[in-house]
Amino acid sequence: ETGVTQSPTHLIKTRGQQVTLRCSSQSGHNTVSWYQQALGQGPQFIFQYYREEENGRGNFPPRFSGLQFPNYSSELNVNALELDDSALYLCASTYPTGVDNEQFFGPGTRLTVL
Amino acid sequence: AQSVTQLDSQVPVFEEAPVELRCNYSSSVSVYLFWYVQYPNQGLQLLLKYLSGSTLVKGINGFEAEFNKSQTSFHLRKPSVHISDTAEYFCAVDTGGFKTIFGAGTRLFVKA
Repeated sequence: ETGVTQSPTHLIKTRGQQVTLRCSSQSGHNTVSWYQQALGQGPQFIFQYYREEENGRGNFPPRFSGLQFPNYSSELNVNALELDDSALYLCASTYPTGVDNEQFFGPGTRLTVL
Repeated sequence: AQSVTQLDSQVPVFEEAPVELRCNYSSSVSVYLFWYVQYPNQGLQLLLKYLSGSTLVKGINGFEAEFNKSQTSFHLRKPSVHISDTAEYFCAVDTGGFKTIFGAGTRLFVKA
């Protein structure tokens, strides 16, 4: 167990809709990263939040946005869903020491866009 | 820019045989290297990591990996696999910044 939880486990949406995925990190882990894992692929970095501010972003459009809250929970929001957004979405929390960047992953939310 | 190449998409192996999963990376700066395992319908679990020091790194479940800077490789090995090792394995590289780059994964099938 990594101490990172995600909800919901599965989600089905239709094209054009909006979705919010949630993640709860370990206490003290003030950095959270979100990844998209398409079927048969490795995780792709979406963005990272540190102390409630976006700290870096991968090659994803602005319709992917996030929030991080003081209670170590966070959200990934995706607007105007497209079929290609179907994937497993993983969050990972880190307690950044500047040396050891070990990430603790949640079990993921599987999003299906029809 | 960093990149990670996992040279085998699938590796079938018989139980109790040795296995090597290959990983090469590309980076112009020093990197941290990781291997993660993903069991069906689960998130990623860290197997081992190389930050600095000894190039031979030992991880959980009997796995080990060797960092080879000249060949830019970080291959994962286990001397004797079990059925329970069947899973997807991901090699990843991190430069200490905010972004981790993952390879496409290698599916390990352990056959009885």
